Amino acid sequence: NAGVTQTPKFQVLKTGQSMTLQCAQDMNHNSMYWYRQDPGMGLRLIYYSASEGTTDKGEVPNGYNVSRLNKREFSLRLESAAPSQTSVYFCASRSSGGVADTQYFGPGTRLTVL
Amino acid sequence: AQSVTQLDSQVPVFEEAPVELRCNYSSSVSVYLFWYVQYPNQGLQLLLKYLSGSTLVKGINGFEAEFNKSQTSFHLRKPSVHISDTAEYFCAVSTYNQGGKLIFGQGTELSVKP
Repeated sequence: NAGVTQTPKFQVLKTGQSMTLQCAQDMNHNSMYWYRQDPGMGLRLIYYSASEGTTDKGEVPNGYNVSRLNKREFSLRLESAAPSQTSVYFCASRSSGGVADTQYFGPGTRLTVL
Repeated sequence: AQSVTQLDSQVPVFEEAPVELRCNYSSSVSVYLFWYVQYPNQGLQLLLKYLSGSTLVKGINGFEAEFNKSQTSFHLRKPSVHISDTAEYFCAVSTYNQGGKLIFGQGTELSVKP
């Protein structure tokens, strides 16, 4: 039981390049989330998926797209990376069995955009 | 809309001393409250959560938090800290109608010195 896994762990991009961050969970959770973490700002929600086949914008969606490929996988795509997207990205998942179930986080992807 | 304010960005403390990490929130509806911990270069893990009932909540690693509705606070405490408690701590809120989305505070860096 690996929990939430993310790939890659580190990535360096040049401005304008594109990339996809991968996330998978093996806990049979319905809901999945993408956050970014910046110093002094905590974690901010980029996009989330309440269930397979649905996605919704969070607090900071501009410059990102997501795909809920199946119940296990939720990817985050940067179409044209900008230096402002330098951040640590966390994926999380949550079962929907209770009104305030715990979110479980992956280890993060540290992205630098030059 | 909800918001969370963690009143201290850094808290240095000596080993075996008590510590309190402060968290205040703002919301027009009832909230669920969480404390997460992030050890260096890792993802977040849940310390404790308040859903309803007793206002004193006990979590892992000897931490506890008290929900104070009148002061809209959810401060985290530990009577005696260890070097291994050095980490960043995040307070977060969610509400029943928000699909489990978390709003995080800015984080408090706890540094335990020998």
